[in-house]
Amino acid sequence: DQQVKQNSPSLSVQEGRISILNCDYTNSMFDYFLWYKKYPAEGPTFLISISSIKDKNEDGRFTVFLNKSAKHLSLHIVPSQPGDSAVYFCAASGYVIQGAQKLVFGQGTRLTINP
Amino acid sequence: DAGITQSPRHKVTETGTPVTLRCHQTENHRYMYWYRQDPGHGLRLIHYSYGVKDTDKGEVSDGYSVSRSKTEDFLLTLESATSSQTSVYFCATVRSAGLSYNEQFFGPGTRLTVL
Repeated sequence: DQQVKQNSPSLSVQEGRISILNCDYTNSMFDYFLWYKKYPAEGPTFLISISSIKDKNEDGRFTVFLNKSAKHLSLHIVPSQPGDSAVYFCAASGYVIQGAQKLVFGQGTRLTINP
Repeated sequence: DAGITQSPRHKVTETGTPVTLRCHQTENHRYMYWYRQDPGHGLRLIHYSYGVKDTDKGEVSDGYSVSRSKTEDFLLTLESATSSQTSVYFCATVRSAGLSYNEQFFGPGTRLTVL
């Protein structure tokens, strides 16, 4: 049972245009959402997050939108740059055990920015 | 950067042999996690720790055990490796409660191949 889904395995975008990565979740108990970026042979690095009490969070070229009624979030990158080419994972959290937040990850979307 | 190192970075082993992967952190973070990354599955939680000698299972814990005898080290052991455990393994840490809610920092990963 995949609670967090990224239905697009790959996305190709022209440099300078907008990249939109999508993520859907099924568990209404999730209350915090994150995006991670991963380059080959490296660990994932945190990009941006959003709490369920907000519907938008912006950090430079990156904006995350949350639509709780649709259980959908998206990551917008504007303008896209070649260095943005990577695999992007969305993750959701809602479980707290012994103070440890447990994240559930999507399958990832490979973003390629073409010059 | 949470000062996370993983060793070894690459390992090839044979079916049935025991394998131990090490995660070391220098930031005195309380919470530590082990994930595996496989195509089509994103990152899946194997085990996590909420303190020295305090550990619990994640969603894919069968065939794995962990130990944490010091704050800085979290060991993942495959008692008898199988080909299905061929994967990339990531360690992650989180600061103590009150800072960076849910943001996990990841190590560089260990690529394990079981022949």
